[in-house]
Amino acid sequence: ILNVEQSPQSLHVQEGDSTNFTCSFPSSNFYALHWYRWETAKSPEALFVMTLNGDEKKKGRISATLNTKEGYSYLYIKGSQPEDSATYLCAPWPGGGADGLTFGKGTHLIIQP
Amino acid sequence: NAGVTQTPKFRVLKTGQSMTLLCAQDMNHEYMYWYRQDPGMGLRLIHYSVGEGTTAKGEVPDGYNVSRLKKQNFLLGLESAAPSQTSVYFCASSHGQGLATQYFGPGTRLLVL
Repeated sequence: ILNVEQSPQSLHVQEGDSTNFTCSFPSSNFYALHWYRWETAKSPEALFVMTLNGDEKKKGRISATLNTKEGYSYLYIKGSQPEDSATYLCAPWPGGGADGLTFGKGTHLIIQP
Repeated sequence: NAGVTQTPKFRVLKTGQSMTLLCAQDMNHEYMYWYRQDPGMGLRLIHYSVGEGTTAKGEVPDGYNVSRLKKQNFLLGLESAAPSQTSVYFCASSHGQGLATQYFGPGTRLLVL
């Protein structure tokens, strides 16, 4: 079982502000990292899959970076909107036929109008 | 395409009762997963399957059994429900292992009294 840490656990942000949060994972045991977005009363939906050190992915106002050498990924949201309110999960995969994904506990983001 | 569906949406059980949760996917995915989600614990993998007729244990398999008799269905059984199994159960499927996006069902809320 991988040790996956997400911080902060929760975050209140004013509408229009930009924000970011962190996912930390074991750098010694890494193949890929997933980010999921989970809105209340819905199911988790995939945002990104990242594999390469220094990789950056972007989807609209949301972007993510990956540092596999030090074992962390940042998720950035630019100009937060109320619809960005959700829990953001990261899930590293160590490869080598490992069981599924190990999800972090998530960062719960609340955008205040 | 319905994607991933789960039956039932909500169920109340008494301690010691049994039940089966059904997950169905219409995306022809090889891999299927059962997770449970508890407050403060994130998503934890119960069991998973890498193809029809195969199953494997995840992080928290005790008290559950699974079967994958057909490629499109993945059943999760509770033989003798316990209050500790009160949770929200999510099924997911993917076309491959760790690099592939997992698609989640809407969840089944289970309350064991």
